[in-house]
Amino acid sequence: ETGVTQTPRHLVMGMTNKKSLKCEQHLGHNAMYWYKQSAKKPLELMFVYNFKEQTENNSVPSRFSPECPNSSHLFLHLHTLQPEDSALYLCASSQDFRGYGYTFGSGTRLTVV
Amino acid sequence: AQSVTQLDSQVPVFEEAPVELRCNYSSSVSVYLFWYVQYPNQGLQLLLKYLSGSTLVKGINGFEAEFNKSQTSFHLRKPSVHISDTAEYFCAVSDPGVTGGGNKLTFGTGTQLKVEL
Repeated sequence: ETGVTQTPRHLVMGMTNKKSLKCEQHLGHNAMYWYKQSAKKPLELMFVYNFKEQTENNSVPSRFSPECPNSSHLFLHLHTLQPEDSALYLCASSQDFRGYGYTFGSGTRLTVV
Repeated sequence: AQSVTQLDSQVPVFEEAPVELRCNYSSSVSVYLFWYVQYPNQGLQLLLKYLSGSTLVKGINGFEAEFNKSQTSFHLRKPSVHISDTAEYFCAVSDPGVTGGGNKLTFGTGTQLKVEL
């Protein structure tokens, strides 16, 4: 148990579906992140939240919509995805914006069919 | 923007042999440096980090890394590897000198370490 829990672990969705990924941290951290991990590519930072406020949107398409209702929870809402969006989506948290290292969740393996 | 280069995509090594995984980053006045390990079907786990101070950093599982500012490198080493060290290793950098840069990690493409008997 890493302290950052992601659900579901696996998700298969059609291109017209709407689904959500959930991330929860029990570490008392104030910053949370979404990363995308595709095969043979570096991890891509998608979104950064500091104290529930979005401070970074790394040119992510609007079919990905993040939500951070409080410092412990982070969601990624998905709609009308493309097959190239298939990847491992990783959530992470850190103490604060100074970023002394992240704690990662185990990820959600997303397959878009 | 920061960038990280991990030149070796795969490193095969025999059990109990030493290993070095290489990492170079683009130059910056100040950097934070990290090594993470990822086992199959899991997220990334922090091995060690350099924020300031001693350039030799010791981490978990017997790993260590040395920060070399002149060569902009942060190579990861272990004197004797075990089968259980088989995993993918990621080097990452952040730039605390940039507003909001401290908590944006830039990752390398990873190095697959395969330990063989």
